[in-house]
Amino acid sequence: QLVQSGGEVKKPGDSLKISCRGYDYSFANYWIGWVRQMPGKGLEWMGIIDPSDSDSRYSPSFLGQVTFSADRSITTAYLQWSSLKASDTAIYYCTRLSPTLRAFDIWGQGTVVTVSS
Amino acid sequence: DIQMTQSPSSLSASVGDRVTITCRASQGISDHLNWYQWKPGKAPKLLIYAASSLQSGVPSRFSGSGSGTDFTLTISSLQPEDFATYYCQQSHNAQYMYSFGRGTKLEIK
Repeated sequence: QLVQSGGEVKKPGDSLKISCRGYDYSFANYWIGWVRQMPGKGLEWMGIIDPSDSDSRYSPSFLGQVTFSADRSITTAYLQWSSLKASDTAIYYCTRLSPTLRAFDIWGQGTVVTVSS
Repeated sequence: DIQMTQSPSSLSASVGDRVTITCRASQGISDHLNWYQWKPGKAPKLLIYAASSLQSGVPSRFSGSGSGTDFTLTISSLQPEDFATYYCQQSHNAQYMYSFGRGTKLEIK
């Protein structure tokens, strides 16, 4: 399973790092994707990271806006912002890419990020 | 980038109905198409992978078909727990840019 860190309330300009910890599988062998869901909107693909070497691919909409990282020693992936905006208010999901299925078979419960002055 | 167009954006149906949701890719994606179910307050759930393969534990009333650019998700006999939003996602892009469709909200009539 994937377990994400708890909800956050931040102010514009704050930095933030949320986490996604993998349990009961070989964490380094599965890429981890990140998905945004803004209030009342659909799922948006943000990008993906290979926990084995931190090779990351960013959707053009998110390139330069967020940073992915991973620490395989503690089976955890991270999503980070250096300067939050109100428009970053959303639910953020991490999800595991199954290479066999070529689909995302396990999802974290989501982290609610609220950015408000 | 590959654009995914889902239709309809919303759908009203009754328990027991057969419903079909379509998804079209802006370019050929072979069978690299997945379907997810999302309910408020919950994480998305994988239903169908590789266009037509049923994920383990998913009821057989769900089925998928298609290849290339046109795909469908069919629910053969709607159950109360099926009222949710459904998303398609392509997993074809070589750079891992796995775009989603905009979703189809399935509501009770």
